[in-house]
Amino acid sequence: QVQLQESGPGLVKPSETLSLTCTVSGGSISSYYWSWIRQPPGKGLEWIGCIFHSGSTNYNPSLKSRVTISVDTSKNQFSLRLSSVTAADTAVYYCARQGEGGRSYDYWGQGTLVTVSS
Amino acid sequence: DIQMTQSPSSVSASVGDRVTITCRASQGISSWLAWYQQKPGKAPKLLIYAASSLQSGVPSRFSGSGSGTDFTLTISSLQPEDFATYYCQQANSFPRTFGPGTKVDIK
Repeated sequence: QVQLQESGPGLVKPSETLSLTCTVSGGSISSYYWSWIRQPPGKGLEWIGCIFHSGSTNYNPSLKSRVTISVDTSKNQFSLRLSSVTAADTAVYYCARQGEGGRSYDYWGQGTLVTVSS
Repeated sequence: DIQMTQSPSSVSASVGDRVTITCRASQGISSWLAWYQQKPGKAPKLLIYAASSLQSGVPSRFSGSGSGTDFTLTISSLQPEDFATYYCQQANSFPRTFGPGTKVDIK
């Protein structure tokens, strides 16, 4: 059974960089697309971007100038960095796997709340 | 970006009711449409992919239909565990986008 687990600081100061890691267990990261999706408190879902095991990426244009997603296949992990954060970046951040069926997200991490505040 | 809309934004229903949620894309997305269920404090759960394919382990009372720009999620007989928020998501192109959600609550 594939499992995803997000890790990283729960509090980030404004203007600093948010960094999260997603560890994949129960399966290899060396296939599929791996994504980051976020959800501000009480709001809907926003796709941040994705990475293939080869390292190719796609980002949401609304965040592209601030986002970097990377993969470490040796650790079965992929990571998110979001720079110059503001309060608007406060959200629950999910990592997810784009599965074989219809490019949908079949496995998700439990989510981690990141609050941007001084 | 492809914009996704959902209707209604909320629906009050009783156990046993048939519930239908509609999702519309701002441009054609063929059958690249998924439906998710989310309960408070939990990650979304995939229900339907490719517009009408039932994800493994999901009860058969859930069904999806549609193609192009108009899609429907139907719960044939609402169960207590189905009270949640439902999201559609287009997978036709980047950036992936989600609908705003439909909350199904108890009447």
